[in-house]
Amino acid sequence: QQQVKQSPQSLIVQKGGISIINCAYENTAFDYFPWYQQFPGKGPALLIAIRPDVSEKKEGRFTISFNKSAKQFSLHIMDSQPGDSATYFCAASSVETSGSRLTFGEGTQLTVNP
Amino acid sequence: NAGVTQTPKFRVLKTGQSMTLLCAQDMNHEYMYWYRQDPGMGLRLIHYSVGEGTTAKGEVPDGYNVSRLKKQNFLLGLESAAPSQTSVYFCASSYGDFNEQFFGPGTRLTVL
Repeated sequence: QQQVKQSPQSLIVQKGGISIINCAYENTAFDYFPWYQQFPGKGPALLIAIRPDVSEKKEGRFTISFNKSAKQFSLHIMDSQPGDSATYFCAASSVETSGSRLTFGEGTQLTVNP
Repeated sequence: NAGVTQTPKFRVLKTGQSMTLLCAQDMNHEYMYWYRQDPGMGLRLIHYSVGEGTTAKGEVPDGYNVSRLKKQNFLLGLESAAPSQTSVYFCASSYGDFNEQFFGPGTRLTVL
C-alpha cells in the first residue's frame, strides 16, 4: 500500500524545458515533504523540502508547489539541463510517527535531452 | 569526511544463507536507517534507530534484524536469505527528525 503516489513514472524533456513531477498523498497527518534526487549507482540526496505552512518553496531552478486541500505537491525544474537527468523521489513524513520515518513515492526517471 | 559508507558493495547469497551489512557514518548523527530499493517501489524503510542502543521497525521489517551498538555503526542482518530479499540496500543517517537524511552508496544483494 503506497501512501504517496508519484507520477509520471518516466519523463523526457528537452534542454531548457520545464520538468514537472507530481505526488499525491492520503495521510493528512503528513507535515514534511522532501524531494530526493538519485543518480545511477549513487544513493539519493536531498534536493529540496517543504512544510505545509507555505504553498511554494524555490531554490534556484527547483520549486516545490504544495496544495494542502488537494493533498498534492509537485516539483518543477525550470530550464532543465542534461545534468538534471536522474531519478526523483518525493517523500512525506509525520510528527505523529516520527518525522524521520519517510514514506517515499515510486520515483520518476527524468531524461533531459541536449 | 567519508559521510555514510556501506560494506560490502555487492554480494550474492544462496537461499538460506546469512549475512550482515555494515553501515558507518562519521557525521555524529543520532538517527540511522536501513532502506531497500526495488524497481517501481521507491525506497522502503526496513528498520531505523534514533540513538545508540535503540532500534525500531519500519515499513518492511520481516526477515531482517538490526543492531546499533555504537553510535557510528548500524548493522543489518539477514538470518536466512530468501530470493524476495534481492534488492539494493541503502543506509542513511540524520541529526534527528525532519532533518536531511544522508545516504550511503548502496549494497546490491542478489539471493539465488
